[in-house]
Amino acid sequence: DAGITQSPRHKVTETGTPVTLRCHQTENHRYMYWYRQDPGHGLRLIHYSYGVKDTDKGEVSDGYSVSRSKTEDFLLTLESATSSQTSVYFCAISEVGGSNTGELFFGEGSRLTVL
Amino acid sequence: AQSVTQLGSHVSVSEGALVLLRCNYSSSVPPYLFWYVQYPNQGLQLLLKYTSAATLVKGINGFEAEFKKSETSFHLTKPSAHMSDAAEYFCAVSGTIWNNDMRFGAGTRLTVKP
Repeated sequence: DAGITQSPRHKVTETGTPVTLRCHQTENHRYMYWYRQDPGHGLRLIHYSYGVKDTDKGEVSDGYSVSRSKTEDFLLTLESATSSQTSVYFCAISEVGGSNTGELFFGEGSRLTVL
Repeated sequence: AQSVTQLGSHVSVSEGALVLLRCNYSSSVPPYLFWYVQYPNQGLQLLLKYTSAATLVKGINGFEAEFKKSETSFHLTKPSAHMSDAAEYFCAVSGTIWNNDMRFGAGTRLTVKP
């Protein structure tokens, strides 16, 4: 199994509060992703990173920011949580080159409830 | 831009029966195609992927999928369902090997009846 750890795994918070989710990997992969999973929508990309301090927006980035100061850590921040951000958040990693062919490996998810 | 449509949000089969999960894609470039499986309260695991090497792709747990360009389809099959196959299955498409543009279908929940 790919070494991907998400924290916290479960969080309940109130509208308007800031929330940070952390993804930690031990695989030294360059690419890291944050997805959200909602019923009927599959997974939708929020932000991704292709290296330290290099990040870009995905298809549902409004209300989210990310940071990557180290290869192994990718943080997702909700500056002011809203009820529409209640979801399950998945981190994924990938690499290209050598024995790596770009497929995504996923963490176990972080369930966020915004009341 | 890429997009994926999975036909049928729920599929139910009997143990031992054929499993067929349908996926159609849209892509402006030659696609990379994937099937992932998700068991309850877990992340997604890769079942198989198409990267243009062969149109019939074999994956783990006896699953396979065939890329049909003329039909823009990438349906997932398994000859004989097992109880342990009950899960949610996601089809995904990407236009680049880095997968930063990957798009997922809405998912198909597979139920296997004894």
